[in-house]
Amino acid sequence: NAGVTQTPKFRILKIGQSMTLQCTQDMNHNYMYWYRQDPGMGLKLIYYSVGAGITDKGEVPNGYNVSRSTTEDFPLRLELAAPSQTSVYFCASSYAVTGAGELFFGEGSRLTVL
Amino acid sequence: DAKTTQPNSMESNEEEPVHLPCNHSTISGTDYIHWYRQLPSQGPEYVIHGLTSNVNNRMASLAIAEDRKSSTLILHRATLRDAAVYYCILRDVIERDDKIIFGKGTRLHILP
Repeated sequence: NAGVTQTPKFRILKIGQSMTLQCTQDMNHNYMYWYRQDPGMGLKLIYYSVGAGITDKGEVPNGYNVSRSTTEDFPLRLELAAPSQTSVYFCASSYAVTGAGELFFGEGSRLTVL
Repeated sequence: DAKTTQPNSMESNEEEPVHLPCNHSTISGTDYIHWYRQLPSQGPEYVIHGLTSNVNNRMASLAIAEDRKSSTLILHRATLRDAAVYYCILRDVIERDDKIIFGKGTRLHILP
């Protein structure tokens, strides 16, 4: 199993550009999450999904959109990129085992907006 | 907001035990306690979790207070590779709304 795969690993955007961060998992996990981590800070939840077709906002959803059309994929869309979105983005997934399921994280996507 | 509070940083000597505390005074009866760690320039990785009883695995031990309002992650013999940020989070057993919020974690420094 590849686990959780994120692409791209690095990207530089200009202010106002848009892009999609891709996340895919091959573990048949129901639950998927997007977090961002600013330098020296903890993880902030952007969006999460408890299954295909279902998404919910996390702590910091503004400026982002998500979709979950399949169990495997959970792309994160940035519209009109701003310097405040410069961060490292982590995707995670989990099997729905009544709170006991562990989170599996991808390696991260480092985004810089100039 | 995160439902857990942890010290910002801790320091320990190599090959000594480390006790990392976490307070979760508003924990509900259906919350599991999870610990993750994040090594430099990597994504977080799972360490251990528990509900009521103390737990052991190959990486660490988890001691849960009797009232469940606090817990302690125990690294029995710290190595330099254990230097990381350690996060304590709560995860509801019901999972209808699985909004997993991380706090700032504890940055663990290991002194050689």
